[in-house]
Amino acid sequence: SQQGEEDPQALSIQEGENATMNCSYKTSINNLQWYRQNSGRGLVHLILIRSNEREKHSGRLRVTLDTSKKSSSLLITASRAADTASYFCATEDSGGGADGLTFGKGTHLIIQP
Amino acid sequence: DAGVIQSPRHEVTEMGQEVTLRCKPISGHNSLFWYRQTMMRGLELLIYFNNNVPIDDSGMPEDRFSAKMPNASFSTLKIQPSEPRDSAVYFCASSSRTGGYGYTFGSGTRLTVV
Repeated sequence: SQQGEEDPQALSIQEGENATMNCSYKTSINNLQWYRQNSGRGLVHLILIRSNEREKHSGRLRVTLDTSKKSSSLLITASRAADTASYFCATEDSGGGADGLTFGKGTHLIIQP
Repeated sequence: DAGVIQSPRHEVTEMGQEVTLRCKPISGHNSLFWYRQTMMRGLELLIYFNNNVPIDDSGMPEDRFSAKMPNASFSTLKIQPSEPRDSAVYFCASSSRTGGYGYTFGSGTRLTVV
């Protein structure tokens, strides 16, 4: 079953602009993670934010988490053509953390050069 | 580290044949996960292991699917008999802890059942 729902499903922007993707989920979580998938490749872990954190940064990435709204956002600043990929949020449900990650269907991001 | 290694990268087989997908997790990782990815259903967790022990196989679609992890460095996912609706990309991922850490994914096996 799907837990995270990304929004939008697809996003096309110009190189240099910022890209924002959103994720909503349904249950209580231990943490929320964002992954990138290039076409034909496996997923790459980008960043993890725990349920007691509100914001986290990693390079050009900024993630926010609002547990009251059960939502998260991923911001990529100063986008580059190499950022073209699908981005997935994934949640680890609270209750031991041993249940595996549940992924959304992803946002397909296209950076126009 | 070579990362999570999956084989084969591509598999084309006829309906009814047995298919075996293989995975070598990252050394030292004690959790291993098998996912299936399709356009319609996205990424689905099939089964996961902690310390080589299957913990939850509720995502395995049918009895035709089985998975084993005989040791810490090897896992297989078997489909017998295969059906066209099993066509998908199958990913293996490993993690260093039980919960709270990111996963490292393999490059996947693209399975086509004709």
